[in-house]
Amino acid sequence: SQQGEEDPQALSIQEGENATMNCSYKTSINNLQWYRQNSGRGLVHLILIRSNEREKHSGRLRVTLDTSKKSSSLLITASRAADTASYFCATDANNNDMRFGAGTRLTVKP
Amino acid sequence: DAGITQSPRHKVTETGTPVTLRCHQTENHRYMYWYRQDPGHGLRLIHYSYGVKDTDKGEVSDGYSVSRSKTEDFLLTLESATSSQTSVYFCATSFSGNTIYFGEGSWLTVV
Repeated sequence: SQQGEEDPQALSIQEGENATMNCSYKTSINNLQWYRQNSGRGLVHLILIRSNEREKHSGRLRVTLDTSKKSSSLLITASRAADTASYFCATDANNNDMRFGAGTRLTVKP
Repeated sequence: DAGITQSPRHKVTETGTPVTLRCHQTENHRYMYWYRQDPGHGLRLIHYSYGVKDTDKGEVSDGYSVSRSKTEDFLLTLESATSSQTSVYFCATSFSGNTIYFGEGSWLTVV
């Protein structure tokens, strides 16, 4: 079964607004990662947050991790049309067996 | 981008025929993975490898086998393709088991 589950499944916002996506997982993790996928392409790594970290930033991306709630959030600030993509969280279930959620489909309208 | 090449990129095959997808990497990464992606299911791990001739099953391994005889190549074989194996298949690699780099995908249709 999938380790991570993203919420919402789909999100539509206007350019300039912030987009927040959430990820919940089931078992203990060493780290949690977020990936982005443009339509018809492979996934691209965005950011990794370790289990002993609570927040991490990378450009317009902000990731939080709450291990007590087994959840993470990805915030994209000042969104652009080019941010339109699917976003996935991934967790290392065990022995480098990386599991992905079903993803959040983000649409940013110009 | 990690140098990951998948072949073929698109294939249509008939039910019951064997199919082999190839993944070639130029990064000398230790870990290699095969995922399938289907609407509503996201990415699901089929098999992975943590070294030459060292492989393990993922969550949807039934009907699939893999081989890794060289660091750079990871083959995924469908012994007898079924319509339920129509999917997009992604190969991925990782140096340390953390950040994963993906190929561009192989679209397989089983008719």
